[in-house]
Amino acid sequence: DGGITQSPKYLFRKEGQNVTLSCEQNLNHDAMYWYRQDPGQGLRLIYYSQIVNDFQKGDIAEGYSVSREKKESFPLTVTSAQKNPTAFYLCASSPGLAVVGTDTQYFGPGTRLTVL
Amino acid sequence: GQQVMQIPQYQHVQEGEDFTTYCNSSTTLSNIQWYKQRPGGHPVFLIQLVKSGEVKKQKRLTFQFGEAKKNSSLHITATQTTDVGTYFCAGPEETSYDKVIFGPGTSLSVIP
Repeated sequence: DGGITQSPKYLFRKEGQNVTLSCEQNLNHDAMYWYRQDPGQGLRLIYYSQIVNDFQKGDIAEGYSVSREKKESFPLTVTSAQKNPTAFYLCASSPGLAVVGTDTQYFGPGTRLTVL
Repeated sequence: GQQVMQIPQYQHVQEGEDFTTYCNSSTTLSNIQWYKQRPGGHPVFLIQLVKSGEVKKQKRLTFQFGEAKKNSSLHITATQTTDVGTYFCAGPEETSYDKVIFGPGTSLSVIP
């Protein structure tokens, strides 16, 4: 939605396996974000990136890794070190940088990850 | 650290009743944003307020930004079942402006 795609929509993995979630945007946005949402909870920031080849840890980065090799792509890897990986993962983008009006977030449809 | 809070956490209303959710920040915000997430869906941007005391309307929704730019409210007049969902407010992180801080959301249920 809004030019952001996430795949797959549902993902099942066995405990101990790493898994990579895809996020692609064609909005030409500089900034991209990964959030985690647990049932009935708000959004918690995992990682974010303001520019290609650079990213910063959010509030709950432990057990996750990201890369930003291209402007339009920001994949998230959930590693086996993440103790409770089952959650709804949301990717978002924004025009970016510290200008009022450019920090509005556009979200993808999300990926529901279940670790068995 | 910077915090954005919302009340109430949950609200159940009869269809046709009004609904209000309040957002409070621990710091002054340069702008406030509101998002709506339908059950099973993803957050969708509704509006952004920038000016102190600003009021904006979208049909039955009225958004207000406080004079001190630390609080905001969303008021829905005559709720409909299509209003069901969770409403989040968010404001830019005060030091770096690299990210926004989301409130925990208010979940609205509308009883037909």
